[in-house]
Amino acid sequence: RKEVEQDPGPFNVPEGATVAFNCTYSNSASQSFFWYRQDCRKEPKLLMSVYSSGNEDGRFTAQLNRASQYISLLIRDSKLSDSATYLCAVRRGGGFKTIFGAGTRLFVKA
Amino acid sequence: GAGVSQSPRYKVTKRGQDVALRCDPISGHVSLYWYRQALGQGPEFLTYFNYEAQQDKSGLPNDRFSAERPEGSISTLTIQRTEQRDSAMYRCASSLAAGDGYTFGSGTRLTVV
Repeated sequence: RKEVEQDPGPFNVPEGATVAFNCTYSNSASQSFFWYRQDCRKEPKLLMSVYSSGNEDGRFTAQLNRASQYISLLIRDSKLSDSATYLCAVRRGGGFKTIFGAGTRLFVKA
Repeated sequence: GAGVSQSPRYKVTKRGQDVALRCDPISGHVSLYWYRQALGQGPEFLTYFNYEAQQDKSGLPNDRFSAERPEGSISTLTIQRTEQRDSAMYRCASSLAAGDGYTFGSGTRLTVV
């Protein structure tokens, strides 16, 4: 079992839709959580950190569920420009190694 | 600089040759990371530096791979006696402090023929 797992998708949604991705992690000592966005043939870019109480940045909402060991990303009012691969990343406790999931592909259609 | 700079962007090398990949992190960023990314996969951790100290090299696949950051700024990832299985995108990232989110460079696409 991989340490960080994501549904690879693809998720195909119309513009304006709400879409949610989950990411599960196996190491209960994990301390920090992030979502990155990666466009085709580009480097990953930090989208947002995920805080214990949940956090929102415009149309994007991130949640952490420590009991069930997953994080989620909700995108409201999807735009064509949201089409990308979304990577979750989990930093282990006791060190600074961050493990990435394989990513979830999102296609937003007009 | 404004971002994380990696060079070369593309490297084609013959099997058995040594290669050196360079990373210039954002000025002032203490933490520097090397990752490798295969097509359709997430970045795979290789090694981590805090200033000039290599604090975790558990992701380096074998002893042909090494990395250094002698002055706490620019880092070099060296692969000796390259093999075809080493072909991948090698990505460097930096962060202001350990534990922060990363800024990635554009990567070096290594092809071993």
